[in-house]
Amino acid sequence: EAGVAQSPRYKIIEKRQSVAFWCNPISGHATLYWYQQILGQGPKLLIQFQNNGVVDDSQLPKDRFSAERLKGVDSTLKIQPAKLEDSAVYLCASSHGPSGYGYTFGSGTRLTVV
Amino acid sequence: AQSVTQPDIHITVSEGASLELRCNYSYGATPYLFWYVQSPGQGLQLLLKYFSGDTLVQGIKGFEAEFKRSQSSFNLRKPSVHWSDAAEYFCAVGTNYGGSQGNLIFGKGTKLSVKP
Repeated sequence: EAGVAQSPRYKIIEKRQSVAFWCNPISGHATLYWYQQILGQGPKLLIQFQNNGVVDDSQLPKDRFSAERLKGVDSTLKIQPAKLEDSAVYLCASSHGPSGYGYTFGSGTRLTVV
Repeated sequence: AQSVTQPDIHITVSEGASLELRCNYSYGATPYLFWYVQSPGQGLQLLLKYFSGDTLVQGIKGFEAEFKRSQSSFNLRKPSVHWSDAAEYFCAVGTNYGGSQGNLIFGKGTKLSVKP
């Protein structure tokens, strides 16, 4: 089975610019997650979708971050405007259901804000 | 609040030596526990998971982990390390509360170096 696809792999932008990341989950996986992994830290959940509805976005900085999952498949995460502290790897993951089933992670998008 | 602590930031072991990576968690209910491995520039790969039952869990690549409720620990072990095991290892606890299911809380990771 194909894995979780993410693009782009790398992105360098200046602060105050905008950027968007794309994720295509494993076919049939209803749950999709976006995690932020800052260098030297473990991943932190930004947002969780169940089909095309948001389940948890409590840690998403909503003044600058937004995410959508149209038609319950692909998802886009956007940052506008970007700050230096947004430099991180953005990981997308998908799963069949609750955490007990385990996730499949994509390779991530490494964002550098200069 | 739920949390995961990995006390060792960096560990170096010789190839062929045994390995133990420590993980302690804080969670009010019966936890779902996971170990993931991340190679440079890659996403996270699931090594093993614990939900219930036998407290000794076998995973891929020869890894195992033991759940000890009394110590709130889920340490990862491997009897003989290979050079290809050099990577970063993350312990995580799965949450399941209210209408939000499935988000993982990760520790900060342990970087494993293997010397020949």
